Amino acid sequence: DAGITQSPRHKVTETGTPVTLRCHQTENHRYMYWYRQDPGHGLRLIHYSYGVKDTDKGEVSDGYSVSRSKTEDFLLTLESATSSQTSVYFCAISESGPTRNTQYFGPGTRLTVL
Amino acid sequence: EDKVVQSPLSLVVHEGDTVTLNCSYEVTNFRSLLWYKQEKKAPTFLFMLTSSGIEKKSGRLSSILDKKELSSILNITATQTGDSAIYLCAVEAGGGSNYKLTFGKGTLLTVNP
Repeated sequence: DAGITQSPRHKVTETGTPVTLRCHQTENHRYMYWYRQDPGHGLRLIHYSYGVKDTDKGEVSDGYSVSRSKTEDFLLTLESATSSQTSVYFCAISESGPTRNTQYFGPGTRLTVL
Repeated sequence: EDKVVQSPLSLVVHEGDTVTLNCSYEVTNFRSLLWYKQEKKAPTFLFMLTSSGIEKKSGRLSSILDKKELSSILNITATQTGDSAIYLCAVEAGGGSNYKLTFGKGTLLTVNP
């Protein structure tokens, strides 16, 4: 299995509070991604990173920000959590080169916003 | 906007049956199509397809891409209860050096003993 960890694995928070989710990889892969998965919607890309300090928006980026100051860490921040952000969040990584399309997923973080 | 549609959304079969899952796409500048299996946790990679008509095979699972029809199928023969999962199709499209996947909503396969 690819060396990807996510923390925390579960979190319950209240509306309006800031939340930061962490993705850590030990594979030295260039690309990192944050997805959310909701019933009826499948996996949707929030933000992704193509290198240290290089990030871009995905399909559902409103209300989220990201940072990548080191190759191994990719942080997802909800500045002011809302109930619509209750979801399962997956981090994924992929490397450069011919297998760049193949993404490996972390174990997920279940976030509940009350 | 890139679109990936999977069918059926759910399927219930008995052990030993053969199943075919479908994925169709409408994207700009197709690059590759991937299949993932998701049990109770993170999706795990199954296949990546880039060339039309070439079958990828792994044990009882196989997949083929039809670029003319903008679609792919995933076949599972002699199904087992351990095949019960959500099967996700994803398409990479676009240009440049940024690699993003658009996922379908998945097919929930339930294999009963």
